[in-house]
Amino acid sequence: GAGVSQSPRYKVAKRGQDVALRCDPISGHVSLFWYQQALGQGPEFLTYFQNEAQLDKSGLPSDRFFAERPEGSVSTLKIQRTQQEDSAVYLCASSPGSARLHFGNGTRLTVT
Amino acid sequence: DQQVKQNSPSLSVQEGRISILNCDYTNSMFDYFLWYKKYPAEGPTFLISISSIKDKNEDGRFTVFLNKSAKHLSLHIVPSQPGDSAVYFCAATTSGTYKYIFGTGTRLKVLA
Repeated sequence: GAGVSQSPRYKVAKRGQDVALRCDPISGHVSLFWYQQALGQGPEFLTYFQNEAQLDKSGLPSDRFFAERPEGSVSTLKIQRTQQEDSAVYLCASSPGSARLHFGNGTRLTVT
Repeated sequence: DQQVKQNSPSLSVQEGRISILNCDYTNSMFDYFLWYKKYPAEGPTFLISISSIKDKNEDGRFTVFLNKSAKHLSLHIVPSQPGDSAVYFCAATTSGTYKYIFGTGTRLKVLA
C-alpha cells in the first residue's frame, strides 16, 4: 500500500517568506507527527495529532510555526516569516496507534 | 540535555563481519526502544524494536540487546552486507506516550 507522502520534496524560500509543507499519511492512521531534522542531527519532535486534534505542540520552535490536520487525514505545517535557522528536513510520520512510526521522505527546506 | 545518545557518528565494517551500533539513554522512564535505518533522501524506516521486559530481540540478521541497568542498547548486524550502509537512529519512548526521542545517528559503511 501507499506510504506517507510529503510535498514538496525540496523547497527554497527567501528569508521572510511563508512556506506550507504537506503530509498525506497512510490511510486510516490515527496518529500523525511532525519532526524537524537538522543536518547531522536526529529527528526532533515538533507536534502530534490524534485524528484532527493537536494534542501536543510543545516542540514547535516559535509561534511562526503552525500545524493543522482539519479533517484528521492530510496535515500541513506552515512556517511564517522563514529564518535561516529554519533550514532543515521536515519529516512527517503516521501511526495506527502502535509504537511504530512510518515516515515520509521529508521536505528539505532551505532558507536563503 | 540529550536523553538518547549515539556516541559514534560513523562506523566502517567489512562485508560479512559483524556491525555493532551502540546507544545510551538517560531517562529511566523509557521502556520501549526502536532502531530506524535511513538512506539518503529517504525517510527513516523501522528496523527492529525491544521492550524493556526483554533483554534481546532478534529478527533475521538483526539483533537488539538491552541492558537496563547500564541504560544501554546495541544493534548487531550479522553478517553485514553492503546494502546495510545507511544511517542508523536509535529512538526511545515511554509506553502510553507518543513522544519518541531520537539519537543523532551512526553512519554505517559496509565495505565490499
